[in-house]
Formats: sequence, structure tokens, C-alpha cells
Amino acid sequence: EAGVVQSPRYKIIEKKQPVAFWCNPISGHNTLYWYLQNLGQGPELLIRYENEEAVDDSQLPKDRFSAERLKGVDSTLKIQPAELGDSAVYLCASSLGPRWQDTQYFGPGTRLTVL
Amino acid sequence: AQTVTQSQPEMSVQEAETVTLSCTYDTSENNYYLFWYKQPPSRQMILVIRQEAYKQQNATENRFSVNFQKAAKSFSLKISDSQLGDTAMYFCAFMGSNAGGTSYGKLTFGQGTILTVHP
Repeated sequence: EAGVVQSPRYKIIEKKQPVAFWCNPISGHNTLYWYLQNLGQGPELLIRYENEEAVDDSQLPKDRFSAERLKGVDSTLKIQPAELGDSAVYLCASSLGPRWQDTQYFGPGTRLTVL
Repeated sequence: AQTVTQSQPEMSVQEAETVTLSCTYDTSENNYYLFWYKQPPSRQMILVIRQEAYKQQNATENRFSVNFQKAAKSFSLKISDSQLGDTAMYFCAFMGSNAGGTSYGKLTFGQGTILTVHP
């Protein structure tokens, strides 16, 4: 069974440029998460989707971050414009549902460097 | 808001020995769930073990077990017979529940503990 796929794995951009990250969850997983992981820290939830609906986006900086999950499968996270402080690893995870019994499976992440 | 604290930034252990990683948390909820995740170098984060707060029996998964002390809000991970492949960053995580007792999917992670297993 294929795991969570993320692309690109690495991205280097200049500040004020836009950037987008893509995530393909495990087939059949209705719940999708985007996490931000700063160096040496634990992941922090940015947004959670149940199918195509964003049910928890309270931690998403909406002035520059946006996300979508069209058709309830793949998801894209966008930053526009990027700032130096956005340099981090962006992790995507998916699970069958939001229950504690539904294991969250993580992708390899996209490491973003903003110069 | 819930907080999760891992007070050991780094730990090391000899192969085949036992090591315990500490985790404390703060919450006002009575029903919640606790997890340990492992993030090997340059690899995906994977679930190691999980515990329901209302279950007094400590969870065990092969060489991994937890010591859950609800009153002390402590959730430590014990790794027995450590192997080289256990070298990773370990994260303790918390998931709360709503008024109906249904967990709502949000994991709150600690800062992590880097574990190195030496041959």
C-alpha cells in the first residue's frame, strides 16, 4: 500500500515569492492534515480536512496561507507571499477518520527554505 | 489549551539496554488520548504506541511500553532491548475530546527527544 506522498521534497525560494506544496493521502483516508514542523520542534497542526471540508483551520495564518482539498482527495497548501520565518518542514498526514483510533500516517514532508 | 513537555532534549543508550523517555502534559480534560511517535532521520514519522486516559492498564507494543500516571499527568515511554533502528526523534503527543467524548483529531506534540542507540 502506498503511503502519503508529498511533493516537492525540497523547495528554495526568495522571500515574497509564492510557493505551493502538494499532498496525496493514502487511498480511502477521509481525513487529511497539514502540519508545520520547525527545526528541532514537534509538528503543529495548520489545518484538518474531513473529505473536502476544512473543519479545523484555526492555526492557519490566513493572511498568507491557503489550502484546498478538491474532490476530497489530493490537497494543496499555498503560501503567498513567503516570509523568512516560513522556513520549515511542511508535513501532510492522513487517517481513515478523526478518531483517536484512526492512526495518522505522515508523509516525508516538504522542506522549505526562504532566502 | 493543552501543553506537552518533554524535558529531555537528548538521550543515549547502549544496544540491548533499556531506556525511558519522559513526557508530562497539562490539560483540564478528563477524557483524552496520548501517543508516542518516532521520527527516524530523514524518514517519515510513525506511531509507536497509544494510550486511552480512562484505561488504567499501561499500553504495550512489543519492546515498547508506557508508564501512564494520570494524577501526575505523566506519560513515559520505555524501550526495552534497544536496537540501532530505534535511533530517532521521539515525540509525545496529546489528543483531546469534545463534550460528547469523541476525539477530534488534533494532535498536540511535545518538543521531542533525540534518542541515539550506540552499538
